[in-house]
Amino acid sequence: EIVMTQSPATLSVSPGERPTLSCRASQSVSSNLAWYQQKPGQAPRLLIYGASTRATGIPARFSGSGSGTEFTLTISSLQSEDFAVYFCQQYNNWPLYTFGQGTKLEIK
Amino acid sequence: EVQLVESGGGLVQPGGSLRLSCAASGFPFSSYAMHWVRQAPGKGLEYVSAISSNGGSTYYANSVKGRFTISRDNSKNTLYLQMGSLRAEDMAVYYCARKSSGTYWVDYWGQGTLVTVSS
Repeated sequence: EIVMTQSPATLSVSPGERPTLSCRASQSVSSNLAWYQQKPGQAPRLLIYGASTRATGIPARFSGSGSGTEFTLTISSLQSEDFAVYFCQQYNNWPLYTFGQGTKLEIK
Repeated sequence: EVQLVESGGGLVQPGGSLRLSCAASGFPFSSYAMHWVRQAPGKGLEYVSAISSNGGSTYYANSVKGRFTISRDNSKNTLYLQMGSLRAEDMAVYYCARKSSGTYWVDYWGQGTLVTVSS
């Protein structure tokens, strides 16, 4: 099983700042990596697929990078609506998806 | 608009059974593979099961193999998860999710239904 490790678990940031979230795979997943945003009581929302491609309707302030085992999600200028939990997912060996434990972005 | 609405969660005793449903709308349901993914309280997401678009192929996580059965009724646009021999560690929010067509990531999720396993 491919283990996905996200860091940090919690990130305290202020609106307007540029947070970077990390996701590491225990073995290479090529670019088969997605990022999701989840707010309390809501369904997760797809942000990024293919490690760096924004999903339809996702603002340009969200960007993803990386390949192999190291990936990052960056929010260029944090907005109030961006405070949420973010998790990564590898889909390199469908359907045996595995997910990271999530990074919670909280208001500083 | 794509909508996935889960139902059927609730309180069940250890060893009991429960059937979850996911009503899909806003897209051609029969053209998409579907998943169940769960999230235990305070934990990360865990893949549970998947089914091909026509229901001919099914897949399970080792943790539920032999106890859970995924199925679908394309005439009713509904996905199911029959859960049996439930354990405390099965307690979680269960999400229905759609696999993006022609690719492998999940592009839409439902809001989830809570399964509580307790005596």
